[in-house]
Amino acid sequence: EDQVTQSPEALRLQEGESSSLNCSYTVSGLRGLFWYRQDPGKGPEFLFTLYSAGEEKEKERLKATLTKKESFLHITAPKPEDSATYLCAVSTGANSKLTFGKGITLSVRP
Amino acid sequence: NAGVTQTPKFQVLKTGQSMTLQCAQDMNHNSMYWYRQDPGMGLRLIYYSASEGTTDKGEVPNGYNVSRLNKREFSLRLESAAPSQTSVYFCASSEGVPYGYTFGSGTRLTVV
Repeated sequence: EDQVTQSPEALRLQEGESSSLNCSYTVSGLRGLFWYRQDPGKGPEFLFTLYSAGEEKEKERLKATLTKKESFLHITAPKPEDSATYLCAVSTGANSKLTFGKGITLSVRP
Repeated sequence: NAGVTQTPKFQVLKTGQSMTLQCAQDMNHNSMYWYRQDPGMGLRLIYYSASEGTTDKGEVPNGYNVSRLNKREFSLRLESAAPSQTSVYFCASSEGVPYGYTFGSGTRLTVV
């Protein structure tokens, strides 16, 4: 059974204080690892897909990396508008089903 | 840019009532999904449809049925609602790996 664990559950940062969110996974045959952002009362919004260990992708202040056991979402100099819940998910089958972690709630104080 | 449209956005049901959640996508995606999201539990897959004409159970299918009406529409039915089905329901669609899901804005369902 695929398992995805995200840590910490919640993270509070000061504006400009860089940090990382962790997603560890136990799967058989990873086809892709996905990061989503979810704002309160809204559906998740796609951020990145990573496919193989060593891969990195960036978007504005966010950078996602992947190893054989975990992925990190690095947030550089965060702003209050980066406050959201960040979800990690893995795909291992042919049907593109995703198994999600429970999410990390990030709060960035001005 | 409609993407994935879910209706209704909010619903209150009494125990034992039935209802259908509607989902439509305009991106010509083959695959569609229904998830529920509960505090502390994350997103859990209820049912999915890999292509028009096919449906399969996910992690938590009990108490639900689905219909893939055509390529655009995928509905979720609660035949006899229970308080344990109080949740936020999300529909999503995808072209498949390597593409991510596009989610709808959700339906917040309360069963009393």
